[in-house]
Amino acid sequence: DVKVTQSSRYLVKRTGEKVFLECVQDMDHENMFWYRQDPGLGLRLIYFSYDVKMKEKGDIPEGYSVSREKKERFSLILESASTNQTSMYLCASHAGQTGNTIYFGEGSWLTVV
Amino acid sequence: GENVEQHPSTLSVQEGDSAVIKCTYSDSASNYFPWYKQELGKGPQLIIDIRSNVGEKKDQRIAVTLNKTAKHFSLHITETQPEDSAVYFCAATASGSARQLTFGSGTQLTVLP
Repeated sequence: DVKVTQSSRYLVKRTGEKVFLECVQDMDHENMFWYRQDPGLGLRLIYFSYDVKMKEKGDIPEGYSVSREKKERFSLILESASTNQTSMYLCASHAGQTGNTIYFGEGSWLTVV
Repeated sequence: GENVEQHPSTLSVQEGDSAVIKCTYSDSASNYFPWYKQELGKGPQLIIDIRSNVGEKKDQRIAVTLNKTAKHFSLHITETQPEDSAVYFCAATASGSARQLTFGSGTQLTVLP
């Protein structure tokens, strides 16, 4: 089974702190994604990556950056956390062909105070 | 870009009854429509998907129908059980890349014993 692991499930950070959310997948997938999930808004794409060191902005990239130095690892970075970034963050991976399953991690709950 | 609307946002049914969740999409070029189930505290998991060259697909108690003319697709769950209680997301994509997977806002299904 494909496994997408988000190392931090619950975090509480202060406004202005730098936050790293780490994600690792074990199936050699080309594509990796970071989504944000908020009630009533569904899943919104923040950034995605289709190869090592390659990244593209999603629908809501403002306030976020990403890093993909190795194929299996995709990190989401909040340079200066703000309270409106309190949310559930979901990492996902995908083998690169339409119709292939997207596999999600368990999510990281971030609270910014 | 693609816009996916999902209804209803909440749905309660009695155990054993059927549940139907509907989604509409805007981009007539969309050709792949997956459905995801998200249980409490977990990431979404693919439960069924359909491509635009098929009108209906069934997997045990779950079925999905697609009406390309009207640009809507629906999830049907028959003989509902308490373990079907979860949030369900529809999604649509029009290209060969998973990047353009657009999600609906989700439906909280509650199956009452």
